[in-house]
Amino acid sequence: AQTVTQSQPEMSVQEAETVTLSCTYDTSESNYYLFWYKQPPSRQMILVIRQEAYKQQNATENRFSVNFQKAAKSFSLKISDSQLGDTAMYFCARRSNNDMRFGAGTRLTVKP
Amino acid sequence: KAGVTQTPRYLIKTRGQQVTLSCSPISGHRSVSWYQQTPGQGLQFLFEYFSETQRNKGNFPGRFSGRQFSNSRSEMNVSTLELGDSALYLCASSSRDQSYNEQFFGPGTRLTVL
Repeated sequence: AQTVTQSQPEMSVQEAETVTLSCTYDTSESNYYLFWYKQPPSRQMILVIRQEAYKQQNATENRFSVNFQKAAKSFSLKISDSQLGDTAMYFCARRSNNDMRFGAGTRLTVKP
Repeated sequence: KAGVTQTPRYLIKTRGQQVTLSCSPISGHRSVSWYQQTPGQGLQFLFEYFSETQRNKGNFPGRFSGRQFSNSRSEMNVSTLELGDSALYLCASSSRDQSYNEQFFGPGTRLTVL
């Protein structure tokens, strides 16, 4: 099975500090898309950041950036200047050939 | 644009019953996907519909079925409910006109099976 693995079930970080969430994936496709989704305690899943596999430049969205290592099939999320509102479940996802797979999620807690 | 809506938001059923969940995608989105979310299993893909046709199906028993209407609204049906079907059911819509096929999620339907 082509899977997405998030090896950190839970993480915590102090407010204003930086945290990195890990994700590895498996796919046999040459082109695919990678996503990080955030699910706050209210449960509505929202997109944080996305990356196309054939783009070598790492995507950034304000305080969120990724480290995309295509050869290693690694797609980590870095959150800079963490805020209390970043507390949520974070899901890594891979979409290839119209097949969408999610990781098990990382529960991030930002502490004041 | 209005977001993805799901009805009902909460449901309580008993074993053996059947249930139908509804999802209205973002206007213009023709692809609708369904997921089951549980604490133990995470987010599991159920199926995807595009233009009233099922395009992908996850590894779930035949008790789980769905359909999509001409207006892109989708329904998911679970028959002969089991305790293990208790979960948050998420619907997501996307526009295949966009290369990313980014999915937009609804708030989910919380199903409790007693």
